[in-house]
Amino acid sequence: TQLLEQSPQFLSIQEGENLTVYCNSSSVFSSLQWYRQEPGEGPVLLVTVVTGGEVKKLKRLTFQFGDARKDSSLHITAAQPGDTGLYLCAGVRNFNKFYFGSGTKLNVKP
Amino acid sequence: DTAVSQTPKYLVTQMGNDKSIKCEQNLGHDTMYWYKQDSKKFLKIMFSYNNKELIINETVPNRFSPKSPDKAHLNLHINSLELGDSAVYFCASSRQQGQETQYFGPGTRLLVL
Repeated sequence: TQLLEQSPQFLSIQEGENLTVYCNSSSVFSSLQWYRQEPGEGPVLLVTVVTGGEVKKLKRLTFQFGDARKDSSLHITAAQPGDTGLYLCAGVRNFNKFYFGSGTKLNVKP
Repeated sequence: DTAVSQTPKYLVTQMGNDKSIKCEQNLGHDTMYWYKQDSKKFLKIMFSYNNKELIINETVPNRFSPKSPDKAHLNLHINSLELGDSAVYFCASSRQQGQETQYFGPGTRLLVL
């Protein structure tokens, strides 16, 4: 059983469209991270959110941590082909244990 | 220049063999990790070391034995390889324990035949 469930699992959209990826759990996390992984490479950290309700923006990407620190969302505005990749959320519990979500594979078509 | 490096990148071997994967980080970090990513891309932590000491040891068969000769290295030895061990193994490091940024290596693709 995975602690973090991501949805959707797969997403194929046209360039310029908006999208939201969800990361849900019934457990509380001290912080939550979002990573992007490209084929043949390791995940790369995009953002860390720590406070319940926190919103962080990274250019066209908006990350939100749920008020209860159990869930998070990633919204991409005007997606571009360069956004294509596997998006992973990771919740931190017990100070140093990272639990990764099931992943969302995004394909942005030109 | 590579921050976290792993060798080998690809490893194809027969069932029952023993193999090792090496990881080195040149970031001066205190904490290092081993993760396993299965065919469905699910990434699961296996071990974590802080200053050469084991701090996380998830439910992993004891055929897997990590070794940290110094802060910059964390190797993974696997005995009696099984088909189910086929996966991509990622090494990562972070400055300290906790909700720090983790820097991942490029992964080692292990295929057990």
